[in-house]
Amino acid sequence: AQKVTQAQTEISVVEKEDVTLDCVYETRDTTYYLFWYKQPPSGELVFLIRRNSFDEQNEISGRYSWNFQKSTSSFNFTITASQVVDSAVYFCALSEGNTGTASKLTFGTGTRLQVTL
Amino acid sequence: NAGVTQTPKFQVLKTGQSMTLQCAQDMNHEYMSWYRQDPGMGLRLIHYSVGAGITDQGEVPNGYNVSRSTTEDFPLRLLSAAPSQTSVYFCASSLDRRTKKLFFGSGTQLSVL
Repeated sequence: AQKVTQAQTEISVVEKEDVTLDCVYETRDTTYYLFWYKQPPSGELVFLIRRNSFDEQNEISGRYSWNFQKSTSSFNFTITASQVVDSAVYFCALSEGNTGTASKLTFGTGTRLQVTL
Repeated sequence: NAGVTQTPKFQVLKTGQSMTLQCAQDMNHEYMSWYRQDPGMGLRLIHYSVGAGITDQGEVPNGYNVSRSTTEDFPLRLLSAAPSQTSVYFCASSLDRRTKKLFFGSGTQLSVL
């Protein structure tokens, strides 16, 4: 069975601080995909990144960066110089590699990030 | 393109009532799914479909029915609403087997009294 653990329920930081959101996953599949989604206060879910299990390169997109480490089954997300607009709930998710299950994601319970001035 | 459209946005039901949550996508996506979001539990998969005429159960299917008669539509039916089904429901679709990127609707907030 697949499982995604986001141990940090809520994080509060002051604007311009760096913050890392942790994600640990469990799967028996050798091929799988990892995702991060953002849910701002308006409620919609916004795709941030997708990573497959064969690509361990870290990725940077503006102030966002992701650190994928298969050795520790982690896919952590760092926001550099946080801004108030980053306040949201962030979900980590896992999908098995089977091509017939493209809509089956296992989500973590989410981390609520509060960025204040 | 409208993307993934869910209706209604809000709904209040009485225990035992039935209703259908509508979901439509105009992106010609093959894969569609329904999730429910509950506090402290993240999103959990209810049902999913890999194409028209094909559906399967997810993690929490009890009390819900789905059908996929067209590529565009994937309605979720509550057969006899219960207070435990009070939740926010999200419909999602994805383009193909390779990308696995989900596009979500804006959600339906359902309260069952």
